[in-house]
Amino acid sequence: EVQLVESGGGLVQPGRSLRLSCAASGFTFDDYAMHWVRQAPGKGLEWVSGISWNSGSIGYADSVKGRFTISRDNAKNSLYLQMNSLRAEDTALYYCAKDMMEGSSSWYYIDYWGQGTLVTVSS
Amino acid sequence: DIQMTQSPSTLSASVGDRVTITCRASQSISSWLAWYQQKPGKAPKLLIYKASSLESGVPSRFSGSGSGTEFTLTISSLQPDDFATYYCQQYNSYSLLLTFGGGTKVEIK
Repeated sequence: EVQLVESGGGLVQPGRSLRLSCAASGFTFDDYAMHWVRQAPGKGLEWVSGISWNSGSIGYADSVKGRFTISRDNAKNSLYLQMNSLRAEDTALYYCAKDMMEGSSSWYYIDYWGQGTLVTVSS
Repeated sequence: DIQMTQSPSTLSASVGDRVTITCRASQSISSWLAWYQQKPGKAPKLLIYKASSLESGVPSRFSGSGSGTEFTLTISSLQPDDFATYYCQQYNSYSLLLTFGGGTKVEIK
């Protein structure tokens, strides 16, 4: 059974940093691209960032480019999101998500999601 | 960047109704479109990928169609479990971006 478990969320002041982690199990982690997707309270889904299976391809939404950094450790079956210079508008539930396509250097669709970790940016 | 526009934003329907949700892309995305269902407090669930391919385990009352810039998600006979919010999503391999539509909430009439 595929499991994605996020951690690292919490309350943080504007301008500060936070690092999210996602522990993956139940599939061959290093075969798949992974994503972070967020959802602000009462709002829709927003893709944040994606990383290919070998970290060779990385993409970011314009809203986080230059502030957030995605990374993965295939030996630890883990995905990370380093969030710097946080803003109030970054407040959201952050989902870790698995891409559907195996072995691709790009990404396609999301077939598994974690339950999310809540990030609140407020003074 | 490619923008995805869903309509309507809210839809009121009754059990047994045929429901259609539309998603329009600001430029052609071929068939690179997925549909997700999200219930309150839950993570989204993949329903349809590549515009019309039904994800394993998804009931056959869900179907997707379209290509290019206009796509539809159809629920042939709405069931109580189908009241939820639906999102379309496109991917762009050239820019390495995923983009979601704004969502369509299907409510009980």
